[in-house]
Amino acid sequence: DGGITQSPKYLFRKEGQNVTLSCEQNLNHDAMYWYRQDPGQGLRLIYYSQIVNDFQKGDIAEGYSVSREKKESFPLTVTSAQKNPTAFYLCASSEDRSSYEQYFGPGTRLTVT
Amino acid sequence: DAKTTQPTSMDCAEGRAANLPCNHSTISGNEYVYWYRQIHSQGPQYIIHGLKNNETNEMASLIITEDRKSSTLILPHATLRDTAVYYCIVSPRSNDYKLSFGAGTTVTVRA
Repeated sequence: DGGITQSPKYLFRKEGQNVTLSCEQNLNHDAMYWYRQDPGQGLRLIYYSQIVNDFQKGDIAEGYSVSREKKESFPLTVTSAQKNPTAFYLCASSEDRSSYEQYFGPGTRLTVT
Repeated sequence: DAKTTQPTSMDCAEGRAANLPCNHSTISGNEYVYWYRQIHSQGPQYIIHGLKNNETNEMASLIITEDRKSSTLILPHATLRDTAVYYCIVSPRSNDYKLSFGAGTTVTVRA
């Protein structure tokens, strides 16, 4: 089945540690996105990538980093510089930079204590 | 991007039509109206989009007013599985394509 996978579903880390969230897609999509969602709120864009080896900051990129070395993979690193890292993280992809439909993964719930 | 205004929550009876309103009074000519929904603790799911004309697919219908300042998403026969947060998003279809999700409308379908 084609789709987006995020792993793990739940992740626990100690404060001060960097953590990398996985996002893989087998839809052959060019564009990929990372969003953050806090309880009771909408999604906020962290980073997005329109093509391999290229990515742009979204609205809340501080404390996060990404890479796009392969078309199917777009990992997100939550660094120790991110002041409030506990959140629900969602990865999405779309066919290309002008596609109207984004496909979302199941999300990773990160808890930092 | 134009902002949208949606009611915080609404209830709907199972089997009845659910009409979800969205105001986007500052929408510009090149901006589309998109609807997504998010079932609890899952990723959002695309429902439908439109520019000027009304649209229908297997999930829902989208009615856009003539002045394009508001729209209504219609779920024709709501089921319990339609309980979710519904997001109305206005965005241009451009090379810098991004979606801005607000708080949405929490729709609860009751038996």
